[in-house]
Formats: sequence, C-alpha cells, structure tokens
Amino acid sequence: GDSVTQMEGPVTLSEEAFLTINCTYTATGYPSLFWYVQYPGEGLQLLLKATKADDKGSNKGFEATYRKETTSFHLEKGSVQVSDSAVYFCALKDNFNKFYFGSGTKLNVKP
Amino acid sequence: DAGVIQSPRHEVTEMGQEVTLRCKPISGHDYLFWYRQTMMRGLELLIYFNNNVPIDDSGMPEDRFSAKMPNASFSTLKIQPSEPRDSAVYFCASSQNPNSNQPQHFGDGTRLSIL
Repeated sequence: GDSVTQMEGPVTLSEEAFLTINCTYTATGYPSLFWYVQYPGEGLQLLLKATKADDKGSNKGFEATYRKETTSFHLEKGSVQVSDSAVYFCALKDNFNKFYFGSGTKLNVKP
Repeated sequence: DAGVIQSPRHEVTEMGQEVTLRCKPISGHDYLFWYRQTMMRGLELLIYFNNNVPIDDSGMPEDRFSAKMPNASFSTLKIQPSEPRDSAVYFCASSQNPNSNQPQHFGDGTRLSIL
C-alpha cells in the first residue's frame, strides 16, 4: 500500500541555519504531496503542496520539489527562525482521496 | 471563515465510561476524516467519510470505536467503553472534492485522557 517515510527527529538547528527534512513515498498511481506543520496544542496546518512531478511547492520560505524519479519530496528552508519550531508532517493523497501521513519530524530552532 | 470545529477541546474521564467526540467540518467539504495522534504511533487515520457515507474504517482499532455522520455538518466518534490506552489527541479533518487536489483542513483536536 501507499506510505510515507520521513526522517526521524528531533532536528535541532541554530537560527539562520539551513533546513532539510527528508521525505520519501511509495505510491501507486499519481499522488499529490503535501507538507503540514503542527504547532504545540494545535491541529495540522497545510504548509505547501505539489500535485504532479517536478512541481515545486513553496510557502513562508519553505520549499519542496516533487521528484518522481527518486520518489521524494524533501522540505527545505534557507534560514530557519525560532518561530519555525514545530512538528512537520509529510503526506500524500492517493487517487481515492485517502491521505497517508509520515510519522512527523520535530524541529527545534535555538536562538 | 470558520475552520473545522471540534468539541470538547479536552476530556478527562474514568475508564469504562462512554466518550463522544464531535466535529463540524467546513461547509461544502465532501470528505471528513478522523485521526488519532499519540507519541508512540504518530498520526493514524481511523475512518473517513464521503458525502456522509463511511468509505474506509480499516483504521478503527476495535469494536469499542464507532463513528457516525448523520448529516453534512456533523460527525461523532464514540468510544464505549473507554480504556486508558485510548488516551490520545483525536483530530477531525475535512476536504473538498478529490479531483480538486485540495488539502485537508484540521481542527484543533480533542485531548482525551482516560484514567
């Protein structure tokens, strides 16, 4: 079945460091890919998405490119801030509108 | 715009009691999802509905769990009888038509503690 695998956390970075959170997927068909962010005590919020191969999703300085050849959708940000500290979830939506979420990666950004 | 609304935000009850979690999806969304989040297992899909009809309940852990969607604006997740291992944060999410590639919108969750 479809699945998403993302790097285990926590990831601890200093402010202004470069961020990469790896995500790979397994899917039949042509899934859409998403990154969600969860702040403490809140639900998940959509961060960015890509619906087909080679699409790049971007929002708030975060980017991820849908790579079909490597079945990856890695999340990147050039300069993280303390306010980016949260848990990040990679997810895919299959052709039946069912979502599969990764296990989440906690990011801690220190001043 | 009102997002997905869940109630209660927190529930603490003794084992053996019936627990009912409620969700109001975003108006116009055809799909509704129930998730459970724990430290050990992460985010698990329990069940989802399309146009009020349950489509996939394979994630429901056991018969103690049941979910209903009597109309397009309301859904419940019931646990009867509850057990301490049911303690988790339960999220409801909704989304639009599958062909629109729209994301899921999550509520703030219900933090459930079974003593």
